[in-house]
Amino acid sequence: DAGITQSPRYKITETGRQVTLMCHQTWSHSYMFWYRQDLGHGLRLIYYSAAADITDKGEVPDGYVVSRSKTENFPLTLESATRSQTSVYFCASSVSLERTQYFGPGTRLLVL
Amino acid sequence: GIQVEQSPPDLILQEGANSTLRCNFSDSVNNLQWFHQNPWGQLINLFYIPSGTKQNGRLSATTVATERYSLLYISSSQTTDSGVYFCAVEKSGDRDDKIIFGKGTRLHILP
Repeated sequence: DAGITQSPRYKITETGRQVTLMCHQTWSHSYMFWYRQDLGHGLRLIYYSAAADITDKGEVPDGYVVSRSKTENFPLTLESATRSQTSVYFCASSVSLERTQYFGPGTRLLVL
Repeated sequence: GIQVEQSPPDLILQEGANSTLRCNFSDSVNNLQWFHQNPWGQLINLFYIPSGTKQNGRLSATTVATERYSLLYISSSQTTDSGVYFCAVEKSGDRDDKIIFGKGTRLHILP
């Protein structure tokens, strides 16, 4: 199906483990984004990408790594998960920074 | 960095009522969007509105960029309008402020 998907939808992991969250979009949008949503903080931008092989930091990038080898995929990796990274993670895509963002369904991550 | 404040934080209305949600921002922006997050967590873009007024059915939005605020109007509220409404701004040229969301207005529409 066309659109933007995230996997897994739910993940439980332990402190110190590496976790990768996947994001895939079928629109060939240039821009892709990763946000985390926490109570009391709303949505905060982690990283974004303007095109394949181009990424940039958002508001809260520490502890996360991204890559974008293909336009349609934008994985987010927690290299050594911490409890403070327990959150709901949303991926989004758009044609440009000045255009509508379309969100994936979210991934709920629990770090024990 | 740029600050985004939304008001009210919570709003409870009867079905059929009208509402106005406000988004204030502390600096000039070149991008402002309104989003709705439904009770199941799904985020949907409502408006891309860096300035001016737009309407989509019962919803409309106005951004007055020179005065640094945006308003989202919901008329004849329905229970399906419940959820959290976020505004998000983007200030290009500032590497520390790419896209900043407000904390949202939680809207409850009672049947």
